Amino acid sequence: DGGITQSPKYLFRKEGQNVTLSCEQNLNHDAMYWYRQDPGQGLRLIYYSQIVNDFQKGDIAEGYSVSREKKESFPLTVTSAQKNPTAFYLCASSASYRGGYTFGSGTRLTVV
Amino acid sequence: EDKVVQSPLSLVVHEGDTVTLNCSYEVTNFRSLLWYKQEKKAPTFLFMLTSSGIEKKSGRLSSILDKKELFSILNITATQTGDSAIYLCAGSGGGADGLTFGKGTHLIIQP
Repeated sequence: DGGITQSPKYLFRKEGQNVTLSCEQNLNHDAMYWYRQDPGQGLRLIYYSQIVNDFQKGDIAEGYSVSREKKESFPLTVTSAQKNPTAFYLCASSASYRGGYTFGSGTRLTVV
Repeated sequence: EDKVVQSPLSLVVHEGDTVTLNCSYEVTNFRSLLWYKQEKKAPTFLFMLTSSGIEKKSGRLSSILDKKELFSILNITATQTGDSAIYLCAGSGGGADGLTFGKGTHLIIQP
């Protein structure tokens, strides 16, 4: 079955460490997105990519980085520059930027 | 800047009640409005609305869009405890950055 796989489901990070969240899709979707969800804040866009080897900053890109070397994969790195990284991270993809999304099951990141 | 506002932000009702969730939007080059249900993890798709005044229905859930008033509602009739979730509304415009989400309505159905 086609879908989006995010890993890990839970991740703990020490302050000052970089961590990378994985997002893989087998839907043959061109567009992929990373969102951050905090309680009461809804979903906020971190980065998005419409095609391989190209990506754009979203509303809250500071302290994050991404790559899009393959169509299927869009990993997100949370760097030590992100001052408040504890949150629920959702990856999504769509066939085009005009379409609806398919979401991954999310990664819950906690700084310890 | 595009904006989607949902109300109420939280709602507690009893099983069997009918609820109406609201979503207003300001989205440049608006194309569609989407509703998602989020329980513990990934939001799941409910409806995509593109035309004004045409109700979409799925079981006890229904939704309608008013493009003149820039508004959509999601109705749930005969609510069940399994309807407890965060309901997200999102607007799609002409930009390549995808959807603009509201903050969600946290719906709790008490037995």
